[in-house]
Amino acid sequence: GEDVEQSLFLSVREGDSSVINCTYTDSSSTYLYWYKQEPGAGLQLLTYIFSNMDMKQDQRLTVLLNKKDKHLSLRIADTQTGDSAIYFCAESIGDGGSQGNLIFGKGTKLSVKP
Amino acid sequence: DVKVTQSSRYLVKRTGEKVFLECVQDMDHENMFWYRQDPGLGLRLIYFSYDVKMKEKGDIPEGYSVSREKKERFSLILESASTNQTSMYLCASSRDSPYEQYFGPGTRLTVT
Repeated sequence: GEDVEQSLFLSVREGDSSVINCTYTDSSSTYLYWYKQEPGAGLQLLTYIFSNMDMKQDQRLTVLLNKKDKHLSLRIADTQTGDSAIYFCAESIGDGGSQGNLIFGKGTKLSVKP
Repeated sequence: DVKVTQSSRYLVKRTGEKVFLECVQDMDHENMFWYRQDPGLGLRLIYFSYDVKMKEKGDIPEGYSVSREKKERFSLILESASTNQTSMYLCASSRDSPYEQYFGPGTRLTVT
């Protein structure tokens, strides 16, 4: 079945770039998403990318998609302590009546050290 | 601005009680979802709904039911709460394509 894999932890220094990686299995996924979750809160949508795109940039965030390798990454430039959170990668289910359903990875906990 | 609200941030219930968790969205979204989130297990889909009065089972529906009488409101019901239902419950809504889901703040439920 569909699966989304992420590494569990990432630690960076304030001011550095962070790169969070994700691999997915459903080659028919139409959209891929990045969410951020701060402690005790719900998930906040950061950005999403259509599967026919290679890259999307939004201020400090850059999403890269390698469809051949089914690899998605989120780069955060000039990482700040406020970026410390759990980041979730998700893919849309590509076919059938459940197209509105998303498959989420287990999340990458980003720690930013001052 | 997109908004999904959940009826409670924290809830403590006793084993065997009937529990109602309510979710309301103001974006006129067709699709609504209930997840639970547990450490090490990630997000697991309990139920979802693509239309009023419509519901579909997710990956872990046992012990839960849902109700969607109005487009903006999706309720999760624990018929007889058990300690293994202690968890963070997250509601989300989305429109059709690109299906991005917007989440509420979550309800942390403790069953004692």
